[in-house]
This record gives sequence, structure tokens and C-alpha cells, in this order.
Amino acid sequence: GAGVSQSPSNKVTEKGKDVELRCDPISGHTALYWYRQSLGQGLEFLIYFQGNSAPDKSGLPSDRFSAERTGGSVSTLTIQRTQQEDSAVYLCASSSRFRGHNEQFFGPGTRLTVL
Amino acid sequence: GENVEQHPSTLSVQEGDSAVIKCTYSDSASNYFPWYKQELGKRPQLIIDIRSNVGEKKDQRIAVTLNKTAKHFSLHITETQPEDSAVYFCAASGDSNYQLIWGAGTKLIIKP
Repeated sequence: GAGVSQSPSNKVTEKGKDVELRCDPISGHTALYWYRQSLGQGLEFLIYFQGNSAPDKSGLPSDRFSAERTGGSVSTLTIQRTQQEDSAVYLCASSSRFRGHNEQFFGPGTRLTVL
Repeated sequence: GENVEQHPSTLSVQEGDSAVIKCTYSDSASNYFPWYKQELGKRPQLIIDIRSNVGEKKDQRIAVTLNKTAKHFSLHITETQPEDSAVYFCAASGDSNYQLIWGAGTKLIIKP
């Protein structure tokens, strides 16, 4: 079946503009994660959705970042008033249950460049 | 909360030799330890994982060992090949929060 998909694959924007990044998880996966990965760096946790529970937003770096997950499926990460330091690859991952230890399946990422 | 440290940050080995990457964790309640491989320009993918009820797990050329007392776990790759070149991430999680806490990653370079 289809894996995790993300769109757009690349996004170039000007400083101060808002951007929306989309993630389509694997069908039936109840857990969804957003990570940020700067060039040559590790995985920085941003936010975690688990079923119908309140999301864990503890990794969001500032109030310019927000995310929502509609209908327990598609998720959108929004960055308002983008800054150059927001430039990175944004990765989405999903897993099959929010309880228990399950493999996280990653999407291809969205490469964001803020000029 | 949990903290995972990973060493070394870069590892260069001759093709055919073995490579070992080590991680330590802080929360004794952690009981799940996966390893992910990220090739250049690609997404991370799970290559092997271990749960705290076992001390070692093997899958062909890769193996993971876990020392719960010392709170560390290691990835072992034998007979390294060029396609093993990648960044490897360790992670840990527990039953109180299934969210993975990630190590900083190790860049493995296989020299021909």
C-alpha cells in the first residue's frame, strides 16, 4: 500500500510569509509525528498526535509553529512569519497504534527554504 | 525525562571491517530501543529494534545488544559494505510515553 506522503516536496518562500506543509499518513495509522531536520543534523521532535488525545506540542520551537490533524488522518504544519532559521527538511512519520512500540514510517519530507 | 546520547558522531571504517555505534539512555523505565538508517537525501527507515526483555538481536549482518544495568545499547554491523554508508539514529521509549527520544546520529563512512 501507499506509504506516508508529504507535500510540497520543496518550498521556497520569503522571510515573513506563512507556509503550510501537508502530511498524509498511512491509512489506519493513529499516531502522527512531525520532525524538523536541519542540514547534517538530527531529528528534532516538533509535535505528536495520538488518536483522539490532545497532541503533545512540547517540541514546537515558537508560537509561530502550529499543527492540526483533521479527522484523525491528514495533518498540516503551519509556520507563520517564516524566518531564515526555519529553513530545514520537515519530516512527518506515522505509526499504527498510539499505544505500544511500533515502527515509525517516515514520509519523504518537505524541504523548506526561507530567503 | 529521557535523554539519549549517541557516540561517535562520525565513524569511518574500511570496507569489510565491523562498525559499532553506542547509545546510552537515562530513564531506566525505557524498554524499547530501535535503530534507524538514513541514507543521504532519503528518509529514516527502521533497520532493527530490541525490547528490554532480551539482551541481543541479530538480523544478518546487523545486531543490537542491550545492557539494561548500564543503560546502554549498541548497533553492530559486520562485514561492512559501501551501501552501509549512512547516518544511523538510535532511540528509546517506554510504556509511560511511547514517543521516541532520539540520539543525535552517527555518520558511518565505509572506505573502499
